[in-house]
This record gives sequence, structure tokens and C-alpha cells, in this order.
Amino acid sequence: EAGVAQSPRYKIIEKRQSVAFWCNPISGHATLYWYQQILGQGPKLLIQFQNNGVVDDSQLPKDRFSAERLKGVDSTLKIQPAKLEDSAVYLCASSLDLAGGRYSGNTIYFGEGSWLTVV
Amino acid sequence: EDQVTQSPEALRLQEGESSSLNCSYTVSGLRGLFWYRQDPGKGPEFLFTLYSAGEEKEKERLKATLTKKESFLHITAPKPEDSATYLCAVQAGNAGNMLTFGGGTRLMVKP
Repeated sequence: EAGVAQSPRYKIIEKRQSVAFWCNPISGHATLYWYQQILGQGPKLLIQFQNNGVVDDSQLPKDRFSAERLKGVDSTLKIQPAKLEDSAVYLCASSLDLAGGRYSGNTIYFGEGSWLTVV
Repeated sequence: EDQVTQSPEALRLQEGESSSLNCSYTVSGLRGLFWYRQDPGKGPEFLFTLYSAGEEKEKERLKATLTKKESFLHITAPKPEDSATYLCAVQAGNAGNMLTFGGGTRLMVKP
């Protein structure tokens, strides 16, 4: 089974420039997440989609970050304009569904990440 | 607010020297506690999910346990290939499926 696909893997940009990251989740997974991981820290949720609707974007800096999930499959995360503190790994993840209860469908699987350096 | 604290931040072991990693948490209604392994330059790789106090799960040299306040990841007779960052995360019952992560424990196993 193919995992979560992300691109590009690495990106270096100057501050105030823009960048976009793409994610393709595991086939059939309804829920998609974008996490930000700063070096030496655990991942922090930016935004969560179920199908093509936003479930939680409370920690997304909306003045510069935007994300969309058209047609409920692929997703794009954009940063414009970038700041130095945006240097991080942007991890896309997916899970089967948002149903309650305790079962393997709640497991979240991560992609390899997109590494962003802002100079 | 859900909180997860992992200790120690870094751990150096000799090959074969068993030890434990700690994950302390506070959460409103635990749905699940997750352990992930992260190698340098890679995304987190799922290891275990624990759902209730007293539960244990094993995979090769790793065993995860859960109490009402903390989880332990026990590593028995580690090998150099077990070197990685181990991340703990909680999933709350009132927060959909989102995970709140700890800062991780960087494990280095020397031959």
C-alpha cells in the first residue's frame, strides 16, 4: 500500500517569498492533516481536513498560511510571505476517518515531510 | 489544554543495555496514546496505540505500557539500529483525531 506522498522534499527560499507544498494521502483516507515540526520539537498541528472540509485550523497563522483540499483528496499548503521562523519540516498525514471509538482507523500515518529553510 | 512531556530528552545506551523512556500526559478524556519512531530526515513512523490503563503492546525489542498518567516505552537489549527519536502523542476524545505530541526522546545506541 502506498504511503502519504509529499513534494517537494526540500525547499530554500528568501524571506518574504512564497512557497507551496503538495500532499497526496493514503488512498481512501478521509482525514488529512498538516503538521509543522521545528527542529528538536514534536510536530504541531496546523490544519485538519475531513474530505474537503476544514475540521480544525485554530493553530494556522492565517495571515500568511493557507491550505486547501480540493475534491477531498490532494492538498496544498501555502506560505506567503515567508518569515525566518517558518523554517521547519511540514508533515502531511492522513487517517481513515474521524469516527469515534478506539480502533485502528484512528491511526495517523505521516509522509516523509517537506523541509523548508527561509534565509 | 492537553499536554505531553517526554523524558529524558536524550538517552545514550550501550548495545544490550535495556532502559525505559517516559511519557507523562494530561488530557481531557484519552482516546488513545500513540508512540512513533522518527529517523533523521524522515517522517514519524507509527509503532503502537494504547487505549486504556494497564494495556501493553510489544514489537521486537520494544514494549509500551500505559497508566492513567503516563506511558513507558521499554527497550530490551537495544541494537544500534534502534537509534532514533521516539515521539509520544495523545489523542483526546473531544478533539477529533488530532494528536498532541511531546518533544521526543533522542535515543543513541552505541555498539
